[in-house]
Amino acid sequence: QKEVEQNSGPLSVPEGAIASLNCTYSDRGSQSFFWYRQYSGKSPELIMFIYSNGDKEDGRFTAQLNKASQYVSLLIRDSQPSDSATYLCAVNSGYGGATNKLIFGTGTLLAVQP
Amino acid sequence: EAGVVQSPRYKIIEKKQPVAFWCNPISGHNTLYWYRQNLGQGPELLIRYENEEAVDDSQLPKDRFSAERLKGVDSTLKIQPAELGDSAVYLCASSSYGGQKETQYFGPGTRLLVL
Repeated sequence: QKEVEQNSGPLSVPEGAIASLNCTYSDRGSQSFFWYRQYSGKSPELIMFIYSNGDKEDGRFTAQLNKASQYVSLLIRDSQPSDSATYLCAVNSGYGGATNKLIFGTGTLLAVQP
Repeated sequence: EAGVVQSPRYKIIEKKQPVAFWCNPISGHNTLYWYRQNLGQGPELLIRYENEEAVDDSQLPKDRFSAERLKGVDSTLKIQPAELGDSAVYLCASSSYGGQKETQYFGPGTRLLVL
């Protein structure tokens, strides 16, 4: 079983719609969760992080975390063609807060259709 | 503030040749990471440094890969000899320190092609 799972997609949404990206993880001890965006041929760039159960909003982006279900999601409102990229979910598998070891999913390819 | 710097950006070599990648982290960042990203996959950690100490190298193929961060700033990752399966993007990242809530910032990567 993979430690961090994502649907590889592609997820196709029309411009202006809400894109919903999902991620599940296996390590119940994980404390921090990150969403990175990666354009083709580029390196990952941080979109959001979340540590606590519930929602965290930043502009058009909302991260949602449910530790009981071991589930984290990213919502992108008013999707734009420029949002078309691969979205990587990363989970910190460090122990006791002392280490910073990110486990990445394979990423979900998002395509926003004009 | 300058980001993570990596060089070269691209490298093409023949199998069995050596290759080296260089990384300079964000100024003041004590923790440095080397990742490998295969096509269609997420990055996988190879090695993590806290200052000059390699604190996690469990996924580094030590028979052919080596890394160093002698002065606790920039770092070099070496492959000798390279194999066809080493073709990938090698990403360097850094964070202020190694805590769980620290964000890792990635460099542009080195795209390696082994022929």
